[in-house]
Amino acid sequence: AQTVTQSQPEMSVQEAETVTLSCTYDTSENNYYLFWYKQPPSRQMILVIRQEAYKQQNATENRFSVNFQKAAKSFSLKISDSQLGDTAMYFCAPRRGNQFYFGTGTSLTVIP
Amino acid sequence: SQTIHQWPATLVQPVGSPLSLECTVEGTSNPNLYWYRQAAGRGLQLLFYSVGIGQISSEVPQNLSASRPQDRQFILSSKKLLLSDSGFYLCAWRTGHPNSPLHFGNGTRLTVT
Repeated sequence: AQTVTQSQPEMSVQEAETVTLSCTYDTSENNYYLFWYKQPPSRQMILVIRQEAYKQQNATENRFSVNFQKAAKSFSLKISDSQLGDTAMYFCAPRRGNQFYFGTGTSLTVIP
Repeated sequence: SQTIHQWPATLVQPVGSPLSLECTVEGTSNPNLYWYRQAAGRGLQLLFYSVGIGQISSEVPQNLSASRPQDRQFILSSKKLLLSDSGFYLCAWRTGHPNSPLHFGNGTRLTVT
């Protein structure tokens, strides 16, 4: 199985501030896809953002953006202007073939 | 639009009893289907995935099995549940497009007593 490391089990951020969640992974492939998912207390898994490894430009979705460093195999998620609704578990998930490999997650709490 | 249905939402079963969790997808054809398990406070563990009817790939050896009797139906089963089978089970689907993400159902919380 592919190794995915999310080194920050828990993080907190003040409302309206910016926070960055880290993710590193191991792969021998050149073309692949990476995803970030959010799991709020409802436990529904929600896609946050996706990145294609062959694209040099970092993906952005509204307040969410990634810093993709292909050589370093790093895929961090930046949340700007944090909102209370961002409180959730966040999972990094590279895809290899038909399989998605999920990290252990980072629990993010947004403090009012 | 595509939707995924997973049921039941919660289930309490005694040790040794059988299990059947069902997942169906609407609005798409020939989806890739997945079963994941999430233990309390942990990440997602891939159990099974399927790229077509009757095609099942297993990721971990255990007392669970999966079947895909129809194109958009994916079933997770067990003949005899163990305490360690307790957890949160998630079904998901995606298209065959390379950048297609996983789309998850609402999950089933299984407690084995």
